[in-house]
Amino acid sequence: AQRVTQPEKLLSVFKGAPVELKCNYSYSGSPELFWYVQYSRQRLQLLLRHISRESIKGFTADLNKGETSFHLKKPFAQEEDSAMYYCALSGRSGGYQKVTFGTGTKLQVIP
Amino acid sequence: ETGVTQTPRHLVMGMTNKKSLKCEQHLGHNAMYWYKQSAKKPLELMFVYSLEERVENNSVPSRFSPECPNSSHLFLHLHTLQPEDSALYLCASSPVGIERTGELFFGEGSRLTVL
Repeated sequence: AQRVTQPEKLLSVFKGAPVELKCNYSYSGSPELFWYVQYSRQRLQLLLRHISRESIKGFTADLNKGETSFHLKKPFAQEEDSAMYYCALSGRSGGYQKVTFGTGTKLQVIP
Repeated sequence: ETGVTQTPRHLVMGMTNKKSLKCEQHLGHNAMYWYKQSAKKPLELMFVYSLEERVENNSVPSRFSPECPNSSHLFLHLHTLQPEDSALYLCASSPVGIERTGELFFGEGSRLTVL
């Protein structure tokens, strides 16, 4: 079974402050981890994936297999970062890749 | 039109009605998904089609019936729904293969209200 946990429903930070959105996962195999973002009135879209090891819009996330975590970080929050963020895990299930989402964290950046 | 398109965007139906949600993708993907998004629960995977074959039926009640006539189209047929089925239904697609697995492209969703 695969499970994704996002412990915070809401995270409020001031503009310019660092951001860390927490994500922990449970999976017996070798997982692929993703962060998806949903801005107000927009569709859910991929933000970044751990395999790429890239920074998107200033966000980074490192896969820590020892702690089974994939926290999303940004050193200086911007107002336009306010959105719902979902951590997701893709794992092999039968003959296809099953994607499981966490419950999401709403990031609110205060001006 | 590119991307994943869902119709209708909003649907109100009674418990005895029969309606369908439609999803269309022009990304050349060959896996398609239905997710349910409600206020009190996380994104719930309902159905998965890979290469037009249903590979996942996630304990969804039979009042929801999916159909995937080809790799570009996905339907969700609805009948005798309950008020608790009111939610945002999201369609997604993804490429099938070793690369880019798990990368989903979502539609804007169909907001369903069951009276």
